[in-house]
Amino acid sequence: SQTIHQWPATLVQPVGSPLSLECTVEGTSNPNLYWYRQAAGRGLQLLFYSVGIGQISSEVPQNLSASRPQDRQFILSSKKLLLSDSGFYLCAWSGGGEETQYFGPGTRLLVL
Amino acid sequence: GQNIDQPTEMTATEGAIVQINCTYQTSGFNGLFWYQQHAGEAPTFLSYNVLDGLEEKGRFSSFLSRSKGYSYLLLKELQMKDSASYLCAVTRSNDYKLSFGAGTTVTVRA
Repeated sequence: SQTIHQWPATLVQPVGSPLSLECTVEGTSNPNLYWYRQAAGRGLQLLFYSVGIGQISSEVPQNLSASRPQDRQFILSSKKLLLSDSGFYLCAWSGGGEETQYFGPGTRLLVL
Repeated sequence: GQNIDQPTEMTATEGAIVQINCTYQTSGFNGLFWYQQHAGEAPTFLSYNVLDGLEEKGRFSSFLSRSKGYSYLLLKELQMKDSASYLCAVTRSNDYKLSFGAGTTVTVRA
């Protein structure tokens, strides 16, 4: 069966510091991968998605970036965090010809 | 663009039925998902409707009317553990991205 991992689970970072969040998927090959952000009490906003290694599409302009160095690894980064980057970051995958997306446990980021 | 609307909050009594509506205006609409999200946790998949009609899965059912741009999620025999946010999301043809509504927070009271 497929599993998706994210780490860290919780992160507190000062404004202006860098960020690296990691997501890995097991039990599937060539998945589509997604990064979402959910602000407190808000819906999910798609940030990036990837259909293959090195292929990244950005949905919203921001100071975040994403990379996919391996088939089942998706990384969300920032060089300098802003207060507005605080939120719940969720990684998701889909594949096998299905559209259903399955979410990882998420990373709660607080920028102070 | 896409407009996905669902009520912000609903409250119901344990053992009762609650219906969560979702309306959408989506060009090239393909299908509609419902996810459940408990506070502080990730969303989990509940249902996916592509064709018109009702899909039943145990206590949960989901309905879709493509011509009306309307869906609902029906929760029967409510239990306390059903207290959560319920997210409506749509997909478009030839596009694997999901667009989410803001979610409906359901509170189940004893």
